[in-house]
Amino acid sequence: KNEVEQSPQNLTAQEGEFITINCSYSVGISALHWLQQHPGGGIVSLFMLSSGKKKHGRLIATINIQEKHSSLHITASHPRDSAVYICAVWDFRNYGGSQGNLIFGKGTKLSVKP
Amino acid sequence: DTGVSQDPRHKITKRGQNVTFRCDPISEHNRLYWYRQTLGQGPEFLTYFQNEAQLEKSRLLSDRFSAERPKGSFSTLEIQRTEQGDSAMYLCASGETQRDSNTGELFFGEGSRLTVL
Repeated sequence: KNEVEQSPQNLTAQEGEFITINCSYSVGISALHWLQQHPGGGIVSLFMLSSGKKKHGRLIATINIQEKHSSLHITASHPRDSAVYICAVWDFRNYGGSQGNLIFGKGTKLSVKP
Repeated sequence: DTGVSQDPRHKITKRGQNVTFRCDPISEHNRLYWYRQTLGQGPEFLTYFQNEAQLEKSRLLSDRFSAERPKGSFSTLEIQRTEQGDSAMYLCASGETQRDSNTGELFFGEGSRLTVL
């Protein structure tokens, strides 16, 4: 079982729909990232959060530390939101708590149709 | 552009050849990471530098792989005697050390895509 699980793996939506992508993790973490990757490879960090909720434009990220679960929401989705969305968590188990290592989910491929 | 830059963006090589990738992080960032990403998978950690010191290496990093950050600025990742299984996207990321933690925001480059024939 992967330490970071995302669902769904693939998601197709119509323009304007409200979208939710989920991330569950099994390791103890200090922070969680939501990342966006467009075709061609470049990754952009959308959010880093360790508690509660953050909002940036049409994007909202929430995290529940007790339940080890985070969600990324996109309101009023648009075709330009089409990308792979990746959840990643900092894992300190093997590094003495000082350096840390990011563990990534496999990503959710989102396609928004006009 | 003051983001993380990687060079080359694409590299096609024959099996057995050596390849080197370069990463120029954001100038004030002391942390630098290399990741590898294969098709349909999330990135996997390869190695981590704080300034010029290579502090962590993944077991994925076989002895054919070597990374350096000689002056604590740019970094190179070299793969010797490439194999077809080395074909992947190699991603670099940089960040600043937080006051009480080495986690924090990471900024990624566009990646270097390697194809080994």
